[in-house]
Amino acid sequence: AQSVAQPEDQVNVAEGNPLTVKCTYSVSGNPYLFWYVQYPNRGLQFLLKYITGDNLVKGSYGFEAEFNKSQTSFHLKKPSALVSDSALYFCAVRDRRNQGGKLIFGQGTELSVKP
Amino acid sequence: SAVISQKPSRDICQRGTSLTIQCQVDSQVTMMFWYRQQPGQSLTLIATANQGSEATYESGFVIDKFPISRPNLTFSTLTVSNMSPEDSSIYLCSVEKDRGPGNNEQFFGPGTRLTVL
Repeated sequence: AQSVAQPEDQVNVAEGNPLTVKCTYSVSGNPYLFWYVQYPNRGLQFLLKYITGDNLVKGSYGFEAEFNKSQTSFHLKKPSALVSDSALYFCAVRDRRNQGGKLIFGQGTELSVKP
Repeated sequence: SAVISQKPSRDICQRGTSLTIQCQVDSQVTMMFWYRQQPGQSLTLIATANQGSEATYESGFVIDKFPISRPNLTFSTLTVSNMSPEDSSIYLCSVEKDRGPGNNEQFFGPGTRLTVL
């Protein structure tokens, strides 16, 4: 069965410091991987995705993520955090064999960036 | 991208009543999805709604409780029937844009925040 794990419910970072939000996955074969962000009282916004190619994926708002097949991980990173990055972050996976449809989401990580 | 709107944005309902949530997209899409996000929880797919066919429900969700309509390629509705407090959640509509093999992206609406008393 496919699954996604975000081991940290909350991550606290000081503004200007680098941030990492962790994600590991379990899916047969090679997955498609996604990161979404949810700001308070708003819907999910797409940040970035890994489909194929370079393991380091760059996305919106200066975020990037690295696909590590051996560790089945897809951690979200940013070199210098901003207070405005404070939000709820979701990692998601889709089986590559499923060309359209169902995303499996992690439980979410609350990122708090303090000034 | 896709611009998705949902109505209502929030509602407070009484136990035993039903609420229909509307989802409108600014372009034609084949695949539309309905997700539920319970308080403090992640997103769970309720069903996939493709135009011209019956919705496909995920395990734990049934048509009698969550009937879905998909009358055209830009619109869908989800009804939450015979509501109980356990149905209090955010309900999100999403659509998938086809960008080529394996490169589909899903975009989400702003959600409908439902509270059942």
